[in-house]
Amino acid sequence: DQQVKQNSPSLSVQEGRISILNCDYTNSMFDYFLWYKKYPAEGPTFLISISSIKDKNEDGRFTVFLNKSAKHLSLHIVPSQPGDSAVYFCAARGSGGSNYKLTFGKGTLLTVNP
Amino acid sequence: DTGVSQDPRHKITKRGQNVTFRCDPISEHNRLYWYRQTLGQGPEFLTYFQNEAQLEKSRLLSDRFSAERPKGSFSTLEIQRTEQGDSAMYLCASSSSGTQETQYFGPGTRLLVL
Repeated sequence: DQQVKQNSPSLSVQEGRISILNCDYTNSMFDYFLWYKKYPAEGPTFLISISSIKDKNEDGRFTVFLNKSAKHLSLHIVPSQPGDSAVYFCAARGSGGSNYKLTFGKGTLLTVNP
Repeated sequence: DTGVSQDPRHKITKRGQNVTFRCDPISEHNRLYWYRQTLGQGPEFLTYFQNEAQLEKSRLLSDRFSAERPKGSFSTLEIQRTEQGDSAMYLCASSSSGTQETQYFGPGTRLLVL
């Protein structure tokens, strides 16, 4: 049973436009969420995170929104740049005894066209 | 701060051979994690250390897998009697203690079992 779902395997946007990557989760014990970016043959690079007590967190061009009631989060990238082209992973961490391991989605391949 | 490093970056081996991977975490981090990523999937949790203590092992980690962190610094992951299904990217991450500490990943070791 996949607890973190990224239903769009790929997304293509034009340079300068907004990229919106979506993520859904099923485990209500998750209370901390992260987005990672991954280039081929490299490890995931941390982008931005959000605690379940917040509904928005912003860092430069990147904003993460969390809707707890819908168990949904999204990553907005504005404006999108060609260097943003990569696979984006949504990850979640539980509270209590499981507050260390991350559960990842399958990723969304973002392509930003010049 | 040189980040998380892993060695080797690539390993090709024949089925039945043993392989060992090394991870050097960020120096001040006391938590270390191993994940495995296969094609089209997100990273999956394998095991976790706090200092030298191995606190959890995923059911993905069969008896052929063993991980150590003898002095609470670097860690090794050994796979005995490799199988073709072990082919994957093995990722190491480290973090400080705390409920919302970010895990920082290394570049990974790509294993191919022939």
